[in-house]
Amino acid sequence: ILNVEQSPQSLHVQEGDSTNFTCSFPSSNFYALHWYRWETAKSPEALFVMTLNGDEKKKGRISATLNTKEGYSYLYIKGSQPEDSATYLCATNYGGATNKLIFGTGTLLAVQP
Amino acid sequence: DSGVTQTPKHLITATGQRVTLRCSPRSGDLSVYWYQQSLDQGLQFLIQYYNGEERAKGNILERFSAQQFPDLHSELNLSSLELGDSALYFCASSERLAGVADTQYFGPGTRLTVL
Repeated sequence: ILNVEQSPQSLHVQEGDSTNFTCSFPSSNFYALHWYRWETAKSPEALFVMTLNGDEKKKGRISATLNTKEGYSYLYIKGSQPEDSATYLCATNYGGATNKLIFGTGTLLAVQP
Repeated sequence: DSGVTQTPKHLITATGQRVTLRCSPRSGDLSVYWYQQSLDQGLQFLIQYYNGEERAKGNILERFSAQQFPDLHSELNLSSLELGDSALYFCASSERLAGVADTQYFGPGTRLTVL
C-alpha cells in the first residue's frame, strides 16, 4: 500500500504570514509529485508537477521543492492572502503502465484578513 | 476553467438505485480518470481509460463500471447504490497514458447523495 501523507491537516494564519506544508511519500519507484490547490465547490487546480530530486518550481508567491531520496516535498506560500485559502493536495505517480495518482488527504489553509 | 466538464453537478437518489455520471475530457486528451472523494478520505483512484480502452483499475467496487466512448467522453455507472457510496466523484483527463509526468486536469465533480 502506497501512503502519501500531508501535514499539517489544517493551518490558520494571518494575512501576510508565510507558511509551508509537507508531503511525504514512499521514495522507492517514485516517478512524479503533483501539487493541487482545491477551493470549495471548484475543481482541483494543478499547481506543479515535479520529477527530479532537487526540483524547485515557482508560481507567483507559491513555490515547491522535491526530495526524492528521502521522500518529501514542501509547498511554500509567501505573504499569504485570503484568496490563498484552500485545501492543498499532493499526489504521487509511480509510473509503470498508468499515470494514476495517489493523493494525500490535503492541508486546509485558512488565511484571516 | 480546466476544460473538463462533468454532469450532473448534484445527484440525490435512493439506496438500490443506479446512476450514470458523465465526463467530457479536455480537447486533445486521450486519458480519462475517475476518482472518488469520501468523507475523511483523500481522493481515491477508481479507474483509467485511454482512447476507449480500460487501462488501470483501483479499488473500484464490482457494482461500479465505466466506459469511454469513441468521442472520448466517459461515463461512470454506479448500481445497487448504498449509503456509503455518497461521495464527490471527480473525472480528470490528461494527454497520455503513462510514462510521463502529465498534468491531470480535473472537472468540477458530481456530488452523489444516497438516501
